[in-house]
Amino acid sequence: GQNIDQPTEMTATEGAIVQINCTYQTSGFNGLFWYQQHAGEAPTFLSYNVLDGLEEKGRFSSFLSRSKGYSYLLLKELQMKDSASYLCAVRDGGATNKLIFGTGTLLAVQP
Amino acid sequence: ETGVTQSPTHLIKTRGQQVTLRCSSQSGHNTVSWYQQALGQGPQFIFQYYREEENGRGNFPPRFSGLQFPNYSSELNVNALELDDSALYLCASSPPRGSGGVNTGELFFGEGSRLTVL
Repeated sequence: GQNIDQPTEMTATEGAIVQINCTYQTSGFNGLFWYQQHAGEAPTFLSYNVLDGLEEKGRFSSFLSRSKGYSYLLLKELQMKDSASYLCAVRDGGATNKLIFGTGTLLAVQP
Repeated sequence: ETGVTQSPTHLIKTRGQQVTLRCSSQSGHNTVSWYQQALGQGPQFIFQYYREEENGRGNFPPRFSGLQFPNYSSELNVNALELDDSALYLCASSPPRGSGGVNTGELFFGEGSRLTVL
């Protein structure tokens, strides 16, 4: 079966660092994506990992371990505007570009 | 460069009715996929269209159908609406593989069409 797990909710303080974990069990694997989704808006692309290791992009970093079926998204210097849902998604190994999404982690950044 | 656009943004239907949702893909993107996102959940893959053909389908019944047109725009049709069909319907487009530059195959999502079935 296909299963992607991430925490439902997290709370963090402005200026701090937060790590959002994601574990996955899928029949195929062709990359892992993180998307940010503000309430009532479209998901927007944050990061992509297909090889093991860390990808850094400004205040956001994403890590992948394929052998462990594990990824995390690291957000540094948190800002109030980072309050949003963060979606972990795996692209399966088939012919399509299909993404299998987790339920999302709702991050609340507090002053 | 115009992004992915969807219409209508909001609509209300009653059980048993039919609905058509529309999507214009981002310029240069030839693949369109549709996702259903229920409240508090992640998006669920409905199907994908490439070169006007469906080339992948998720676990949705046949009353969910679609089309892709020569200009790569797309429609999602849902017949015999049920209460559980109430959700945000997201359209996403992606560029051709090997289209140059760093192509992760990421999906570019529209703002969605929020459907309420009463």
